[in-house]
Amino acid sequence: QKEVEQNSGPLSVPEGAIASLNCTYSDRVSQSFFWYRQYSGKSPELIMSIYSNGDKEDGRFTAQLNKASQYVSLLIRDSQPSDSATYLCAVKRAFGNEKLTFGTGTRLTIIP
Amino acid sequence: DTAVSQTPKYLVTQMGNDKSIKCEQNLGHDTMYWYKQDSKKFLKIMFSYNNKELIINETVPNRFSPKSPDKAHLNLHINSLELGDSAVYFCASSVQTRGPGLFPDTQYFGPGTRLTVL
Repeated sequence: QKEVEQNSGPLSVPEGAIASLNCTYSDRVSQSFFWYRQYSGKSPELIMSIYSNGDKEDGRFTAQLNKASQYVSLLIRDSQPSDSATYLCAVKRAFGNEKLTFGTGTRLTIIP
Repeated sequence: DTAVSQTPKYLVTQMGNDKSIKCEQNLGHDTMYWYKQDSKKFLKIMFSYNNKELIINETVPNRFSPKSPDKAHLNLHINSLELGDSAVYFCASSVQTRGPGLFPDTQYFGPGTRLTVL
C-alpha cells in the first residue's frame, strides 16, 4: 500500500463547477496535511494546509480532513481554466523535522 | 526577490560524469531539502538539513552527496551519473520556529533543475 494515494486522473471539470480531489494516507500518526499545486514545468506551490479534523476554507479552496478515515480532500469552487494543474497531496507525521511524503498527484483539467 | 533559487536550471551530461546543483534561499529559513521528481511526476524526499546538520537521509545511492555550507545554502553533488538519475531535482526550504512572517511547516520550492543523463 502506498503511503499517500491519489487518483492520478486526469479529472475533467467544466468551468464554474466544483472540482473535488481526494487523498488517503496510511500512517495513522500523521499530523500535518498539505495540498500543493504544480503547473506543467513548474515547481510545487502550497495552496492549503490543514491540521485538525473538519473543513478549512481559503477563498475558492476548501480542505477537508478526516483523521479517523485517514482521508483528506480539496474542493475548488467556481473552477477556472487557470486551476488546470496537477494537485499533490502531502502528509507529515508531526511538526518539525519530519519528512513530507507526497502522493503521485491528480491532474485536473478545467474545460471552458 | 525573496525566494528559493537553484542553478543550473538545465543540466545535460554524459553517463559517468560528476555534476553539482546549487540551491540558495533568502527567506531566513533554517531547514532545506532536496527532492527528486521522476518522469511520472512522483516527488520524493532525498535529504534535509537543519542549520547545516543532516536530519533526513532517505535511501539514496551514496553517489549523491549533499553539503550545506550554511543554513541558506544546500548543494547536491552527484558522482558517476547514471541514466536513472535523469529527473527534475527540487530544492525546498522551511522554517521550524514561529515568528512574524514565518509559517512553520510550510515548504517553499525552488524552480527545479532538470537533469538529463545521456
